[in-house]
Amino acid sequence: NAGVTQTPKFQVLKTGQSMTLQCAQDMNHNSMYWYRQDPGMGLRLIYYSASEGTTDKGEVPNGYNVSRLNKREFSLRLESAAPSQTSVYFCASRGLGTGSLVVHFGNGTRLTVT
Amino acid sequence: KNEVEQSPQNLTAQEGEFITINCSYSVGISALHWLQQHPGGGIVSLFMLSSGKKKHGRLIATINIQEKHSSLHITASHPRDSAVYICAVTSGPGNQFYFGTGTSLTVIP
Repeated sequence: NAGVTQTPKFQVLKTGQSMTLQCAQDMNHNSMYWYRQDPGMGLRLIYYSASEGTTDKGEVPNGYNVSRLNKREFSLRLESAAPSQTSVYFCASRGLGTGSLVVHFGNGTRLTVT
Repeated sequence: KNEVEQSPQNLTAQEGEFITINCSYSVGISALHWLQQHPGGGIVSLFMLSSGKKKHGRLIATINIQEKHSSLHITASHPRDSAVYICAVTSGPGNQFYFGTGTSLTVIP
């Protein structure tokens, strides 16, 4: 039982390059999230998916796109990376029913855009 | 506007000391969460509580719903407790998360 798995762990991009951050969970959770974490700021929601087939914008969606490929997988894409997107990105998931308020995080992706 | 405020931002303690981290929130909540993040590491959930008090080993979390305040206590602190501790609340019809900016704790041997 791996929980939430994110890849890659580290990435360096040049301005204008594109990449996709992958996230998968094996807990049969309905809700999945992408957050970014910057120094001095709390985790900020980029996009979320309340269930398979649905996605919604969070607080800071500009410059990002997402795909909920199936119930397990939720990917985040940067089409044209900018230095302002240098951050640590966390994927998270949450289920339904008892304990559904508990959130499970991946180990993060440390992205640097030069 | 920050829905969740934590204090202190940074905390240094000697091994063995009793530590308290505070969290205040301004929204109605369904639950309050304490999370732990080790340097360069992922984020793990320590506690989820909606009333009273919970204890896990040397960690104790309390919440006062009327005062919209929670505390995380660490008894007999140890260098391995060095981490960032994040307070978060779930609120609203979709149980959206609101996160504090974290308290960076360093425990010196």
